[in-house]
Amino acid sequence: AQSVTQPDIHITVSEGASLELRCNYSYGATPYLFWYVQSPGQGLQLLLKYFSGDTLVQGIKGFEAEFKRSQSSFNLRKPSVHWSDAAEYFCAVGAAPAAGNKLTFGGGTRVLVKP
Amino acid sequence: GAVVSQHPSWVICKSGTSVKIECRSLDFQATTMFWYRQFPKQSLMLMATSNEGSKATYEQGVEKDKFLINHASLTLSTLTVTSAHPEDSSFYICSVSGQVGEQYFGPGTRLTVT
Repeated sequence: AQSVTQPDIHITVSEGASLELRCNYSYGATPYLFWYVQSPGQGLQLLLKYFSGDTLVQGIKGFEAEFKRSQSSFNLRKPSVHWSDAAEYFCAVGAAPAAGNKLTFGGGTRVLVKP
Repeated sequence: GAVVSQHPSWVICKSGTSVKIECRSLDFQATTMFWYRQFPKQSLMLMATSNEGSKATYEQGVEKDKFLINHASLTLSTLTVTSAHPEDSSFYICSVSGQVGEQYFGPGTRLTVT
């Protein structure tokens, strides 16, 4: 069975500082990985996805993530955080790049941005 | 990506009544949609997979007679919470499955049962 762990429940970062959110997955085959962001009271927005190829993936809003198979990780990074980045972030893993496949979500990391 | 809407965004109902939540894919023909439930400060819990023209597939522990799902067209899936109770109060989110397994989410519906 696939699973996703986000070790950090909360992270506080100063505006302008860099941000890294950790994600570790467990899956027997090639994982298909996603990062989503959720603002309070809203649905989830897809930041980026990894299926194959270059292990460094660029996403929207200046985010990037790096897939490291040896560490079973897919950490999300942003070089300089803006106050609007305060939100909940979810890492997810899917079984295959095909329509209709379910995703397994991590528990989420809440990011607080200090002025 | 697909644009997904939900209606209503917020609903209050009395215990024992039923409430219907709509999920629409505005610009994408969605063969598969998903329904999730999210409690405060928690992750998403998948309730069921909704396939157009067929019965929904429910996750273990989700009562299919209580949470009725209908996916009658490629753009609309509905979730009806029947005989609602206060413990059904939650944030319900739907998503549309994209062509390579990514999901596009609606804005969610907050249900409060009094």
